[in-house]
Amino acid sequence: DTGVSQNPRHKITKRGQNVTFRCDPISEHNRLYWYRQTLGQGPEFLTYFQNEAQLEKSRLLSDRFSAERPKGSFSTLEIQRTEQGDSAMYLCASSLSGSYNEQFFGPGTRLTVL
Amino acid sequence: GQQVMQIPQYQHVQEGEDFTTYCNSSTTLSNIQWYKQRPGGHPVFLIQLVKSGEVKKQKRLTFQFGEAKKNSSLHITATQTTDVGTYFCAGPANSGYSTLTFGKGTMLLVSP
Repeated sequence: DTGVSQNPRHKITKRGQNVTFRCDPISEHNRLYWYRQTLGQGPEFLTYFQNEAQLEKSRLLSDRFSAERPKGSFSTLEIQRTEQGDSAMYLCASSLSGSYNEQFFGPGTRLTVL
Repeated sequence: GQQVMQIPQYQHVQEGEDFTTYCNSSTTLSNIQWYKQRPGGHPVFLIQLVKSGEVKKQKRLTFQFGEAKKNSSLHITATQTTDVGTYFCAGPANSGYSTLTFGKGTMLLVSP
């Protein structure tokens, strides 16, 4: 399967715990995006990488959130000191570089904070 | 900041009826993309429109980009149960062409 993969698919954690999610993009895609989606809403942009460089972060992104893409391939998203409001689906997408390129989404990681 | 609004939020049709969803941006868009998300699934790219007044067709789906490049529509002719899902439009965020601002989507339910 050459699509975008995400692990884990589901994560249940207690408030205050740290969680980390992984995304493996399509191999030839050098752009990688993280989104958050809650029920009834569209994906909300969190951050974006071109190769290993994090080029943009949403102003809505709390400092409890951090993302890395150390070798320009897979990426991790960490949430520290989780809060109930962090419960959501976390989607990863990848694309080729250049303007107007379609984004390919992974299946997402559903986070539930108790 | 830029806002992308979609109407309606929800539509329930009988199989065979037509369906249209509308997307409006607060700013002029360089391009607009449409995605479909099936229940329990992830967004899947459908199409991208770039030119003012552009119309593109994919079988029963017709996509249109407004002349002012601030609005777009998706029309489905003779809906089928396989069309069920949420349809999102997305435009480049103000910050750059690489990131997208998604609308809230229109959820389509098709009854057989």
